Amino acid sequence: DTEVTQTPKHLVMGMTNKKSLKCEQHMGHRAMYWYKQKAKKPPELMFVYSYEKLSINESVPSRFSPECPNSSLLNLHLHALQPEDSALYLCASNLEGGIAYTEAFFGQGTRLTVV
Amino acid sequence: SQQGEEDPQALSIQEGENATMNCSYKTSINNLQWYRQNSGRGLVHLILIRSNEREKHSGRLRVTLDTSKKSSSLLITASRAADTASYFCATAGAGGTSYGKLTFGQGTILTVHP
Repeated sequence: DTEVTQTPKHLVMGMTNKKSLKCEQHMGHRAMYWYKQKAKKPPELMFVYSYEKLSINESVPSRFSPECPNSSLLNLHLHALQPEDSALYLCASNLEGGIAYTEAFFGQGTRLTVV
Repeated sequence: SQQGEEDPQALSIQEGENATMNCSYKTSINNLQWYRQNSGRGLVHLILIRSNEREKHSGRLRVTLDTSKKSSSLLITASRAADTASYFCATAGAGGTSYGKLTFGQGTILTVHP
């Protein structure tokens, strides 16, 4: 199994809602990433988890709250988002603990629209 | 700002032609990777070249890395319409504030006409 599975594929939420994005991998990878991608732009790193611990937070606003319950799961909790947070949210994983020495596997992303 | 800058931003070619994309970066790296993205969905890893390597091949792909110039190129030979996608370079930082990060360049949009 070489897949990273993200759910949901699409999400529309109001600015007062609370929602969560989910990411799952069963490749035994110990590093997991959240990226945000706006249209026609490259993915921008948000968070890195290494061995289930948050190792990098790229100064992301607190309305985005990551969680890594175990080595296979990564969540991104969303609260009080703004319309400019609408984007494709990508999850990725790779073998080593956040060192990016090896290829990263990406999920298909969650297309988020904030209304 | 993004670590990698790519050129061209867009490339349009005919099937059978070769496509070359370039990437430049600013800080020291452990490795440089190339990814492909179709229609704004997930990224697919194409090839990884380590900082002590100068050239690598995989099928129709050829990647070069010049660490003295902090640049890399991706060559796709005998292109096909199915190669139409966005291509991104990504650098794995070797130290300092870039350590542990996989940072993407601006990308090249490749269109291959049948």
